[in-house]
Amino acid sequence: GAGVSQSPRYKVTKRGQDVALRCDPISGHVSLYWYRQALGQGPEFLTYFNYEAQQDKSGLPNDRFSAERPEGSISTLTIQRTEQRDSAMYRCASSLAETQYFGPGTRLLVL
Amino acid sequence: GQNIDQPTEMTATEGAIVQINCTYQTSGFNGLFWYQQHAGEAPTFLSYNVLDGLEEKGRFSSFLSRSKGYSYLLLKELQMKDSASYLCAVREVRNTDKLIFGTGTRLQVFP
Repeated sequence: GAGVSQSPRYKVTKRGQDVALRCDPISGHVSLYWYRQALGQGPEFLTYFNYEAQQDKSGLPNDRFSAERPEGSISTLTIQRTEQRDSAMYRCASSLAETQYFGPGTRLLVL
Repeated sequence: GQNIDQPTEMTATEGAIVQINCTYQTSGFNGLFWYQQHAGEAPTFLSYNVLDGLEEKGRFSSFLSRSKGYSYLLLKELQMKDSASYLCAVREVRNTDKLIFGTGTRLQVFP
């Protein structure tokens, strides 16, 4: 079966532009998570959803970051007015029970 | 506060056994996970421990001691393909499913 998919896989943008990263979870998975991973580090939690409800957004760095999952399936992570420090791998994961399954990530580079 | 410690790097020989340790100090505990991550790829689930003791799954085993805040991942009969980063992650409390990851242990297996 299909795993978690993310698009785009790579995104290069200029500082100040907005970007939208998409996550398509495993079919039927209730929970969806967003993480950010720097090179050589473990993933860092950003936010997560159960169905369409955002349960925890404590990891979002500031108010330029937002996420939604309006129909309880696909989710979008939006970063407004991007800055160079936002450059990282953004990973999505989904779960039905306790185990989270990760997608391939979106590599974001802000110039 | 939250603190998850694991060695940064380890090396081992093909066919040998290696133990990767993880210690954690978190405000709560509701399960510990081990993930494997090959360079440039997504983390993949290896094991989940929520009760004390050893969980064995083929060549990989994971141990948990909640009273000591300690876990280890044991890899037997090492193969070259086991060269990867191994991530320890803790789920803190029941009302949030976010995972707190360590920085990962990069394992290199030599012939």
